[in-house]
Amino acid sequence: DIQMTQSPSSLSASVGDRVTITCRASQGISNYLAWYQQKPGKVPKLLIYAASTLQSGVPSRFSGSGSGTDFTLTIGSLQPEDVASYYCQKYNSDPPFTFGPGTKVDIK
Amino acid sequence: QVQLVESGGGVVQPGRSLRLSCAASEFTFNNYAMHWVRQAPGMGLEWLAGISYDGRNKYYADSMKGRFTISRDNSKNTLYLQMNSLRAEDTALYYCARVKFPLDGYNPVFDQWGLGTLVTVSS
Repeated sequence: DIQMTQSPSSLSASVGDRVTITCRASQGISNYLAWYQQKPGKVPKLLIYAASTLQSGVPSRFSGSGSGTDFTLTIGSLQPEDVASYYCQKYNSDPPFTFGPGTKVDIK
Repeated sequence: QVQLVESGGGVVQPGRSLRLSCAASEFTFNNYAMHWVRQAPGMGLEWLAGISYDGRNKYYADSMKGRFTISRDNSKNTLYLQMNSLRAEDTALYYCARVKFPLDGYNPVFDQWGLGTLVTVSS
């Protein structure tokens, strides 16, 4: 099975900072990579799919890039409402459709 | 407004069974593959199982095969997860999730999630 890792596991940044989260797949998954945001006590929310396509309604400060095994989620200017855990997920045709372990983002 | 409402959770003893349901509304249920994802307390998301829009194809996480069974009743707009031989480590919030693209069983990006139903396995 393809394993998904994320780094860092947590980070603390100031409002306005540029934040980057990395996701790595143990084998190539083309661009079949999604990012989800889960705020404390809330349901996960789709942010990005196909590695770089922004889901409708998601603020443009969020962006994604990468292909193959290495992917990044960038928050261009961190806002207080971005405090959440962020998960990547691989969804190429072969199950399991594994999530990464998550990255917790806090405000410094 | 798409709605997914899970039910059937509760406290159950180890070794017992439980069937979760997910009632869908405000979209054409039989056009969408559906999946189950769980989250243990304080932990991350774990994909469990998925089923194609027509119910013909089912997918499971290796650790769930043989214990969990996913099914759907398109006439009732309902998704199910039958869970047998439950263990303490199955304690989690169980979400049903809808894929983003209709009539597509092979790209499970989840754009709609229910609020979840809590399963606690304890003696």
